[in-house]
Amino acid sequence: NAGVTQTPKFQVLKTGQSMTLQCAQDMNHEYMSWYRQDPGMGLRLIHYSVGAGITDQGEVPNGYNVSRSTTEDFPLRLLSAAPSQTSVYFCASSYSAGLGEKLFFGSGTQLSVL
Amino acid sequence: KNQVEQSPQSLIILEGKNCTLQCNYTVSPFSNLRWYKQDTGRGPVSLTIMTFSENTKSNGRYTATLDADTKQSSLHITASQLSDSASYICVVSSGGYQKVTFGIGTKLQVIP
Repeated sequence: NAGVTQTPKFQVLKTGQSMTLQCAQDMNHEYMSWYRQDPGMGLRLIHYSVGAGITDQGEVPNGYNVSRSTTEDFPLRLLSAAPSQTSVYFCASSYSAGLGEKLFFGSGTQLSVL
Repeated sequence: KNQVEQSPQSLIILEGKNCTLQCNYTVSPFSNLRWYKQDTGRGPVSLTIMTFSENTKSNGRYTATLDADTKQSSLHITASQLSDSASYICVVSSGGYQKVTFGIGTKLQVIP
């Protein structure tokens, strides 16, 4: 059971560089989302998708882009990395976007922007 | 503003002992509350869900309680094991996913 797979596990970028964090799920889940986790703060929603071709902004979307061309994949793009984007990023999915549905998380990507 | 506060921030207990983690929330309207366990270097994993009408729910050695009147929840761990060392995150939902509020978590360390 792969569940939610995130790559890479670790990444170091220089300010201004761009990159894509990959996320794939094999559970045929409708809902997918990206969160960032910073010390002393709860997980914060960046972007989410309720199905292929449908995406929307979360609480902290600035500096990030997403797309969802298939049910399985939901990549997160950093357009021009900034030190403030140093964080641990989690991709999560759930069967639907219903009330308080259980989230299945990937193992995270630790990103450092120098 | 919706808020979820957890206490204590960190806790160290001896293997075999019990402990209780607290979660206070100011989320409205309330849909449900989940407790997640997050091992170091891993993503959170759901332990249990509490809805408005539920007071107590057990999942093995984990027992969650909910008092919707005082907006408090607790997670009690019985006969702790070394594998219980993790962060425990309280998450309150007030609707769809864009309205989920995460607590900062309680970091539990179980020592031999």
